Amino acid sequence: DTAVSQTPKYLVTQMGNDKSIKCEQNLGHDTMYWYKQDSKKFLKIMFSYNNKELIINETVPNRFSPKSPDKAHLNLHINSLELGDSAVYFCASSHAWTDTQYFGPGTRLTVL
Amino acid sequence: QQQVKQSPQSLIVQKGGISIINCAYENTAFDYFPWYQQFPGKGPALLIAIRPDVSEKKEGRFTISFNKSAKQFSLHIMDSQPGDSATYFCAASSQAGTASKLTFGTGTRLQVTL
Repeated sequence: DTAVSQTPKYLVTQMGNDKSIKCEQNLGHDTMYWYKQDSKKFLKIMFSYNNKELIINETVPNRFSPKSPDKAHLNLHINSLELGDSAVYFCASSHAWTDTQYFGPGTRLTVL
Repeated sequence: QQQVKQSPQSLIVQKGGISIINCAYENTAFDYFPWYQQFPGKGPALLIAIRPDVSEKKEGRFTISFNKSAKQFSLHIMDSQPGDSATYFCAASSQAGTASKLTFGTGTRLQVTL
């Protein structure tokens, strides 16, 4: 009965590769988010989608492209991976117009 | 520019003691102030939250104190337990359309010793 799930949990890849991280929530929420947590544990919002519509798009390189096939899923595709992309990426979800966000377990991305 | 400043960076408290973590914000548009608890290898989990029309909120051993005029808020953990050892993040939220935009503090690593 996982609320917000992410796959994979770990991702190790070479510079220049393209990779995707998947997120699914079964909470019935219609708003989903991607956050990046860097090596110093600083958490920063990247994107937010509401019912497949992009709502928040922070200053993120356009190599990062979120895709929402439906309101329960928000995937993150990253092109031409760079060393600086190494981080833990968290998906979160909430009801629209509410503040409480529920986070997934994270995906640790390591770019070699 | 760090919109939410958090201190201390790390904290060691004896079992049974009180842990206090402080945060300050700048943006007066923030209208929701949650605290998240994160254990190693896990995602942040909502601990307790407050809105600016309330000066204090208590849930079990956890209390948020909020000072709107000073733009500061703090988390107090009473009777701290070893199981409370984790990283704590304060955050502040503002509405961005249908989404809620969370701005996080830099985190406090709490260690509760026996």
